[in-house]
Amino acid sequence: DADVTQTPRNRITKTGKRIMLECSQTKGHDRMYWYRQDPGLGLRLIYYSFDVKDINKGEISDGYSVSRQAQAKFSLSLESAIPNQTALYFCATSDYVGGSYNEQFFGPGTRLTVL
Amino acid sequence: RKEVEQDPGPFNVPEGATVAFNCTYSNSASQSFFWYRQDCRKEPKLLMSVYSSGNEDGRFTAQLNRASQYISLLIRDSKLSDSATYLCVVNSEGSNFGNEKLTFGTGTRLTIIP
Repeated sequence: DADVTQTPRNRITKTGKRIMLECSQTKGHDRMYWYRQDPGLGLRLIYYSFDVKDINKGEISDGYSVSRQAQAKFSLSLESAIPNQTALYFCATSDYVGGSYNEQFFGPGTRLTVL
Repeated sequence: RKEVEQDPGPFNVPEGATVAFNCTYSNSASQSFFWYRQDCRKEPKLLMSVYSSGNEDGRFTAQLNRASQYISLLIRDSKLSDSATYLCVVNSEGSNFGNEKLTFGTGTRLTIIP
C-alpha cells in the first residue's frame, strides 16, 4: 500500500462548487504540504502544516483552505472553484532526518478540472 | 528573476550518451539542494541531494557551485528508463532548523532515444 494517498485521483467540477481533496499518510510524519503543479510553473506551495495545531500559508493560498484533522490527514478545500484552479495537486509529507526536514514524500496527485 | 531556474528542454539523447543539466538559484543564503525525478503524470521523487563537495550515486553525479549559484546533474551511460523530468529543488529558507521551505524549478524534460 502507498505511504501517501490522495482522494480523489481525478475530479471534474463546475465553477462555484466546493471541492475537498483529501490526503492520508501512514509514514508517521509530522509535516504535511499541499502543492499545485501547472505546466511551465512547476510545483507551488499552497499550505503546509508542521503538526495538528499548526497551519501555514504558502505562496498561493488565496482561494484555498486546509484542515489537519489528525497527524495522518490533511485536506485541501476549494470553497468556490474557478477555472484557473484547474491543475495537478500533490500532497507531501516530511520528517526530521539527518538534521533537516528536507526530503519530501509525495502522494500520487489529484487531477482537478474546473469547467 | 525566478528563485530556481532550469532549461525546460526537451533534451533528446541517444541511449548510452552522457547528458548534463544545470540549474541556477537566486537566494545566496540557500543551504540545501536536491534533484527530484518526476515521471510523466506521476509524483516527484527524490533522486539525490547535492553536497558542496559534489556527490555521486552510480551513473549520477551532482555538483554545487556556490560562487556562481548553480547546481548540476550529470547522467552517464544513459538508459531508456532515465527518461523523465528532472526537478531542481532548493531549500530557500536557509539553514535554520525548522524553516525548510523547498522551492522547485519547473523541470528539465529528458527523453532517451533507443
